[in-house]
Amino acid sequence: DIQMTQSPSSLSASVGDRVTITCQASQDITNYLNWYQQKPGKAPKLLIYDASDLETGVPSRFSGSGSGTDFTFTISSLQPEDIATYYCQQYDNLPLTFGGGTKVEIK
Amino acid sequence: EVQLVESGGGLLQPGGSLRLSCAASGFTFNTYVMTWVRQAPGKGLEWVSSIRGSGDITYYADSVKGRFTISRDNSKNTLYLQMNSLRAEDTAIYYCGKDRRSRAVTTVDSWGQGTLVTVSS
Repeated sequence: DIQMTQSPSSLSASVGDRVTITCQASQDITNYLNWYQQKPGKAPKLLIYDASDLETGVPSRFSGSGSGTDFTFTISSLQPEDIATYYCQQYDNLPLTFGGGTKVEIK
Repeated sequence: EVQLVESGGGLLQPGGSLRLSCAASGFTFNTYVMTWVRQAPGKGLEWVSSIRGSGDITYYADSVKGRFTISRDNSKNTLYLQMNSLRAEDTAIYYCGKDRRSRAVTTVDSWGQGTLVTVSS
């Protein structure tokens, strides 16, 4: 199975800050990577697919980059409504595997 | 608008069985791969199972293989997960999801609200 290592596991930032989350795959997954947002008590929501493509309707302050084994997710200007846990997920091979999650809080 | 509504969750004892359902609307159901993902209380996301649009090919996580069966009824736009020999570690919220693609298991782009399964004596 491909292991997805996300860091940090949690972070606290101020409104307007740039926030960066990293995800490392245990093997080359090309660009077969998604990013999801999960707010407390809610289902996950797809934000980024194919490592860098923004899902329709998702604000442009969210972005993704990377290929191979190293990926980055960025919120360019943190907003109060971005409080959530973010997960990366690979689909290069089954089983689909998720990172452990990054909980983002407002400072 | 895509809508996915899960049902069938509940409390049951170890060794029991349960069938989850997911009613889909707002898209051509038989075109897309459908997937179950679960989340144990306070934990991360775990892929459980997926099924191709035609229902001919299914995929399972090792943790549920031989105990769970995914199926779909394209005439009813409904996805199912039959869960047998349930264990305490199967306790989780179970989400159904629609994939972006019709044949490959890749990306859940729409999610249901989830249904809670609790396995406890």
